[in-house]
Amino acid sequence: DTAVSQTPKYLVTQMGNDKSIKCEQNLGHDTMYWYKQDSKKFLKIMFSYNNKELIINETVPNRFSPKSPDKAHLNLHINSLELGDSAVYFCASSQSITDFEAFFGQGTRLTVV
Amino acid sequence: TQLLEQSPQFLSIQEGENLTVYCNSSSVFSSLQWYRQEPGEGPVLLVTVVTGGEVKKLKRLTFQFGDARKDSSLHITAAQPGDTGLYLCAGEARDDYKLSFGAGTTVTVRA
Repeated sequence: DTAVSQTPKYLVTQMGNDKSIKCEQNLGHDTMYWYKQDSKKFLKIMFSYNNKELIINETVPNRFSPKSPDKAHLNLHINSLELGDSAVYFCASSQSITDFEAFFGQGTRLTVV
Repeated sequence: TQLLEQSPQFLSIQEGENLTVYCNSSSVFSSLQWYRQEPGEGPVLLVTVVTGGEVKKLKRLTFQFGDARKDSSLHITAAQPGDTGLYLCAGEARDDYKLSFGAGTTVTVRA
């Protein structure tokens, strides 16, 4: 039973397209995150939500729009995809906003061509 | 500039050897986590250290938190091929509810 699941695992798309990545956690956690891992494996936080409320927006282009319909779900929509958006995107969750023990999904490898 | 500096960046050793990975910062952390990430997977939490000087053991892995809570190390005894992976340290330093990651150490254990 997967704790944090995100779909799709792979996404190949053309520049200019709009795409979404979905994430769900069944751990009962209050806080969810989106991270971006670049080609050098560096993980950087993009957004965090606590009980559906946006807490962190880490100077991400406004082409990226997260949405949290409930505390178990955090989706990421990306408009007008650019080559530089190619990366692995990870969803994660933690018990609360002050608990930094994060549980990660398997990642979505986004390739923009 | 990254908040957490990890060294070495890459480490390749023979099965049975020992290894140590370092995680250093000029900032003080209330807690620090170590994660392992395998290819095609997300990072998996190994341990959290909270108290300065704390030592935690997880089978053949030993984690230490520096006395000043600015650095940490991960030591693996008698490494096995299953220990191969990307080891990441992470911590929250500035009460900004944000976990910062080091750049990671890629460990390869050859059979």
